[in-house]
Amino acid sequence: DGGITQSPKYLFRKEGQNVTLSCEQNLNHDAMYWYRQDPGQGLRLIYYSQIVNDFQKGDIAEGYSVSREKKESFPLTVTSAQKNPTAFYLCASSMDRANYGYTFGSGTRLTVV
Amino acid sequence: GESVGLHLPTLSVQEGDNSIINCAYSNSASDYFIWYKQESGKGPQFIIDIRSNMDKRQGQRVTVLLNKTVKHLSLQIAATQPGDSAVYFCAENYAGGTSYGKLTFGQGTILTVHP
Repeated sequence: DGGITQSPKYLFRKEGQNVTLSCEQNLNHDAMYWYRQDPGQGLRLIYYSQIVNDFQKGDIAEGYSVSREKKESFPLTVTSAQKNPTAFYLCASSMDRANYGYTFGSGTRLTVV
Repeated sequence: GESVGLHLPTLSVQEGDNSIINCAYSNSASDYFIWYKQESGKGPQFIIDIRSNMDKRQGQRVTVLLNKTVKHLSLQIAATQPGDSAVYFCAENYAGGTSYGKLTFGQGTILTVHP
């Protein structure tokens, strides 16, 4: 079945550590996105990529980094510079640059311990 | 920046009633709107979409209405069921420039359906 897979489902980070969240899709979608969701809030865009080897900052990119070496994969690294990383992270993909309809992954819940 | 907002953060209904969830958007250039449903601990699921050249679109038990004059979007759910309990997000897309291809999401409305 085609879809978008995020791993791990739960992730714990110690202070000062970098952690990487995985996002893989087999939908042959060109564009991929990372969102952050905090309790009681909507989705805020961290980074997005419309083609391989290219990505753009979203609204809250500070403290995060991404890469897009393959069409299928868009990993997100939460660096130690992100001071409040505890959140639910959602990855999404869409068919083309017109972005008419996103498919979301099931999310990764990151907690700082 | 542009934003999408919701009038009601929570909505409680009885099973079998019709539900209406509202959303206000601020960018008159937005040309595409989507409603998503998100259950606890899961990613959002697409419900229905509508383009700005339409004012109504119907799906299975759901209808989306778009009023461009007042920049208002609504989601109507007919015969609401307990399985409809979730957070509902509206999202808008506005074409042009570097914002092309990004959705902006509203805060979300929590729908609770009582048996």
